[in-house]
Amino acid sequence: SQTIHQWPATLVQPVGSPLSLECTVEGTSNPNLYWYRQAAGRGLQLLFYSVGIGQISSEVPQNLSASRPQDRQFILSSKKLLLSDSGFYLCAWSSGTGDYEQYFGPGTRLTVT
Amino acid sequence: SQQGEEDPQALSIQEGENATMNCSYKTSINNLQWYRQNSGRGLVHLILIRSNEREKHSGRLRVTLDTSKKSSSLLITASRAADTASYFCATDARAAGNKLTFGGGTRVLVKP
Repeated sequence: SQTIHQWPATLVQPVGSPLSLECTVEGTSNPNLYWYRQAAGRGLQLLFYSVGIGQISSEVPQNLSASRPQDRQFILSSKKLLLSDSGFYLCAWSSGTGDYEQYFGPGTRLTVT
Repeated sequence: SQQGEEDPQALSIQEGENATMNCSYKTSINNLQWYRQNSGRGLVHLILIRSNEREKHSGRLRVTLDTSKKSSSLLITASRAADTASYFCATDARAAGNKLTFGGGTRVLVKP
């Protein structure tokens, strides 16, 4: 069966510090991968998605970047965090074909202080 | 604004009652999906309804889709305290490729 992992679960970082969040998927190959951010009590905002290694689409201009160095690894990064980067970050995967049901990781709670 | 908008934003009911929430969207879709999110957790896929379907059931869940009105509803029957969560609709728009667009969610509180 497929599983998706995210780490760390929580993170407190000072303004101006770098960020690296990692997401890995097991049990499937060539998945579509997604990074979302969720503000408290709000819906999900799609940040990046990837349909293959090295293929990244950015949805919102911002202080963040994403990379996919391996088929089942998706990394969200920032060189210098802003207070507005605080939020709940969710990684998800879907099959590359079919109905695009998405399966989510447990999320990372990021607080920028 | 987002493709999917849920209504109401929040809902409080007693255990055993039914909970109904609605989702409206703007553009043509391939399918519409509903997800549940427990507080501080990832989302869990509940049910998918295709654009050529009008109603779908899964256990205590019933989803309807009206493409003429660009709306969907999720009904949870005989609610339980464990159904307390936020519920999101997500649309797979025909022009959007591999992406889903999520609404703002309905927060459901089921009181024991």
